[in-house]
Amino acid sequence: KNEVEQSPQNLTAQEGEFITINCSYSVGISALHWLQQHPGGGIVSLFMLSSGKKKHGRLIATINIQEKHSSLHITASHPRDSAVYICAVNSGTYKYIFGTGTRLKVLA
Amino acid sequence: DAGVIQSPRHEVTEMGQEVTLRCKPISGHNSLFWYRQTMMRGLELLIYFNNNVPIDDSGMPEDRFSAKMPNASFSTLKIQPSEPRDSAVYFCASSFVSANTGELFFGEGSRLTVL
Repeated sequence: KNEVEQSPQNLTAQEGEFITINCSYSVGISALHWLQQHPGGGIVSLFMLSSGKKKHGRLIATINIQEKHSSLHITASHPRDSAVYICAVNSGTYKYIFGTGTRLKVLA
Repeated sequence: DAGVIQSPRHEVTEMGQEVTLRCKPISGHNSLFWYRQTMMRGLELLIYFNNNVPIDDSGMPEDRFSAKMPNASFSTLKIQPSEPRDSAVYFCASSFVSANTGELFFGEGSRLTVL
């Protein structure tokens, strides 16, 4: 079993839909990161969380430390949100454990 | 800030040739990471530098791979000789690590194809 599990692996949505991507982890962490990677593109850090909730534009990330679970929400989704979203945890060292990613496609 | 800068963005080479990938981290960051990304294995840590010193190179596949960080603003990843199985996207990332964590900033990646 992977230490970081994401669901779903693939997601197709219609423009305007509310989207949720989930991440569960099994190790103790100091922080959790959400990353975005467009096809053929670089990797962008969206959020770094150690507790609670963060919001940036249409993106919201939450984390529940007790349940070892985080969610990334996208409100009013748009085709430009189509990308792979990667959850990564930092276990208090320099090592980051990456999930396998959720491939999101938003249709116009 | 310009962000993490990698070069080249794309490299196509023949088996046996030497490949050098370059990275300029964000100014002020104390940690630098080289990752390799493939479809099969996702993101794998190759080597981690802290304050220009290699701390963990256990992810470097074999002696054909070497990495240097001669100063705080420059790092190289070298593959010699290259093989087709080295084909992947190589990412450099930097961070300011404090209290054992820090936000990771990635470069655009260097896509390597070895024929």
